[in-house]
Amino acid sequence: GQQVMQIPQYQHVQEGEDFTTYCNSSTTLSNIQWYKQRPGGHPVFLIQLVKSGEVKKQKRLTFQFGEAKKNSSLHITATQTTDVGTYFCAGRRTGGSYIPTFGRGTSLIVHP
Amino acid sequence: DAGVIQSPRHEVTEMGQEVTLRCKPISGHDYLFWYRQTMMRGLELLIYFNNNVPIDDSGMPEDRFSAKMPNASFSTLKIQPSEPRDSAVYFCASSGDRVETQYFGPGTRLLVL
Repeated sequence: GQQVMQIPQYQHVQEGEDFTTYCNSSTTLSNIQWYKQRPGGHPVFLIQLVKSGEVKKQKRLTFQFGEAKKNSSLHITATQTTDVGTYFCAGRRTGGSYIPTFGRGTSLIVHP
Repeated sequence: DAGVIQSPRHEVTEMGQEVTLRCKPISGHDYLFWYRQTMMRGLELLIYFNNNVPIDDSGMPEDRFSAKMPNASFSTLKIQPSEPRDSAVYFCASSGDRVETQYFGPGTRLLVL
C-alpha cells in the first residue's frame, strides 16, 4: 500500500533556530496536506499543495512540493515556543484512493 | 460553526465493557472519518463514510469494533468488548467538497483497565 514517510521523528531546537521536516512517498502524489497537532490537542489543517514544485508560505512557515510530486517539506524559520507540536503530512496517491494517507509525524520540541 | 464535536472527551472503563464514542460532524460535510492515535502506531484511519454510507472499513482492527452513521449529523464508534490494547485517542474528522481537507474533533481519550 501507499507509504508516506516523515523524517525526523523528533527534533529538538533552541528557540530562534530553524526547523525542517520532510515527507517522502513511495508513489506520486496528487496533492499533499500538512497538519499541526499541539500537545494534547487534535490535528489542525495548515495547507494543501497541489502543483509540482509549488511553494507556499504562511508567515515563518514555508511549504514545498517536490518537482516529482513524491516529496514535500515544511520549514520553520526562527522557531518560537508556540511552534511546539507534531507536524503531519498527508498525501493522496495519484490514481488511487482519494483519501489521503497520513505520515507518522515529526514532533518539534523548542527549548527557550 | 462549532466544528466537529466528540463525546465523551475522556473515558475510563474496565476490560470487557462496551464503549461507545460519538461524533457530530460539521454541518454540510459529507465525509466522516474515524481515526485512532497511539504512540506506537501513529494516526490510523479506521473507517470512513460518504453520505452516511461506510466506504472503507479495512482499518477496523477486528470484529469488536463497529461504526455507524444513522444520519448526516451523527456517527458512533463502538467497541465491544473493550480490551486494554484499545487504549488510545480516537478522533473523528469530517470534510466537505475538498475531501483531503479534514477537520478533526477534539478526540476521545480512552483508557481500558
